[in-house]
Amino acid sequence: DSGVTQTPKHLITATGQRVTLRCSPRSGDLSVYWYQQSLDQGLQFLIQYYNGEERAKGNILERFSAQQFPDLHSELNLSSLELGDSALYFCASSAGQFSSYNEQFFGPGTRLTVL
Amino acid sequence: AQKVTQAQTEISVVEKEDVTLDCVYETRDTTYYLFWYKQPPSGELVFLIRRNSFDEQNEISGRYSWNFQKSTSSFNFTITASQVVDSAVYFCALSEGNSGNTPLVFGKGTRLSVIA
Repeated sequence: DSGVTQTPKHLITATGQRVTLRCSPRSGDLSVYWYQQSLDQGLQFLIQYYNGEERAKGNILERFSAQQFPDLHSELNLSSLELGDSALYFCASSAGQFSSYNEQFFGPGTRLTVL
Repeated sequence: AQKVTQAQTEISVVEKEDVTLDCVYETRDTTYYLFWYKQPPSGELVFLIRRNSFDEQNEISGRYSWNFQKSTSSFNFTITASQVVDSAVYFCALSEGNSGNTPLVFGKGTRLSVIA
């Protein structure tokens, strides 16, 4: 158990819909990352938050957005869903800057299926 | 631009054989971190090792060992006396900068099947 929790574990929805994925980082970790794993694109970085602020952006579509709340949990919002958005979405957390360790620990993932 | 290449898509070995998973990386930064993660059939990503660019010492942890060579931009992973439980997809990843708190760039992964 990495200490990172993600809900829900599975999500099945229809095209055009909107969903929210939730992530709680490890206790004390300030950085949260979102990654998408799909068969064709592999593991791709979407977005990073550090202590409530956006830190880095990767290949995140405009239909997707995220935020990190004061209690450090994060949500990834996916809207106008398309079949191609079906993937495993991982959240990861790390301690943040000025820490002696910087491994990213991953949650169990949310498997999104768009029908 | 940063890039991680895992040329081996799939490897199949018989139990107790040794196996090496290759990882080649590209980066313009002089300071960076390299990682290996394991993704078993259950789907979670399990952290295995972190290595920074200034530490070229090889590392051994039980049946696992890692060989980091800056001269060839490689960070290879060897499993000695493989076991069925080692069957998984293994990912090599790169994080640029000196904090390590930057996004990971992953290779495509190597699927290892260990046959009893």
